[in-house]
Amino acid sequence: EAQVTQNPRYLITVTGKKLTVTCSQNMNHEYMSWYRQDPGLGLRQIYYSMNVEVTDKGDVPEGYKVSRKEKRNFPLILESPSPNQTSLYFCASSAAGQETQYFGPGTRLLVL
Amino acid sequence: GDSVTQMEGPVTLSEEAFLTINCTYTATGYPSLFWYVQYPGEGLQLLLKATKADDKGSNKGFEATYRKETTSFHLEKGSVQVSDSAVYFCALTITGGGNKLTFGTGTQLKVEL
Repeated sequence: EAQVTQNPRYLITVTGKKLTVTCSQNMNHEYMSWYRQDPGLGLRQIYYSMNVEVTDKGDVPEGYKVSRKEKRNFPLILESPSPNQTSLYFCASSAAGQETQYFGPGTRLLVL
Repeated sequence: GDSVTQMEGPVTLSEEAFLTINCTYTATGYPSLFWYVQYPGEGLQLLLKATKADDKGSNKGFEATYRKETTSFHLEKGSVQVSDSAVYFCALTITGGGNKLTFGTGTQLKVEL
């Protein structure tokens, strides 16, 4: 089954404790992206990647890092989480030249 | 920059009622337009899309027409069901813009018996 998976689905952590949210897709997509969803703001892009070793900032990159060492994986790293990063995070992927993006199930993060 | 504005929610309707969710956009380039749906506890799913002016996207009884003259992409359904209760997001991407989606704030729809 073609899908985008994220882990963990739920995470509670404390300020300053480094964490990684994993994202993996099995569709051989070139393009991958991270969004955060906040009430009243919709979804905003954090980072994106056009292919392996090619990443760039989206609209709200502060406090986040990403890497793309393999085509299928695109982890989101919070080096020192803060309470304002409490949010619902979605990973998405799409094939090159295709506009339709496929979303993962989301990761709900609470930073205390 | 690019932006999407959609009507505030929540919207509460009775089953079999007519649904309209308004969406307007501003774009620096030539956009493709999308409606995504988010059911409770799930990720976003593409509902329908339109890639050029006057195109009509349709799926599961939902329709939206790409209106360049009014920069709009309103979502409609003739008869909603309880199972349509979800959050609906209007979004755009700019051709050649790296596949970035710009979303509206979402409209929550609740359908009651």
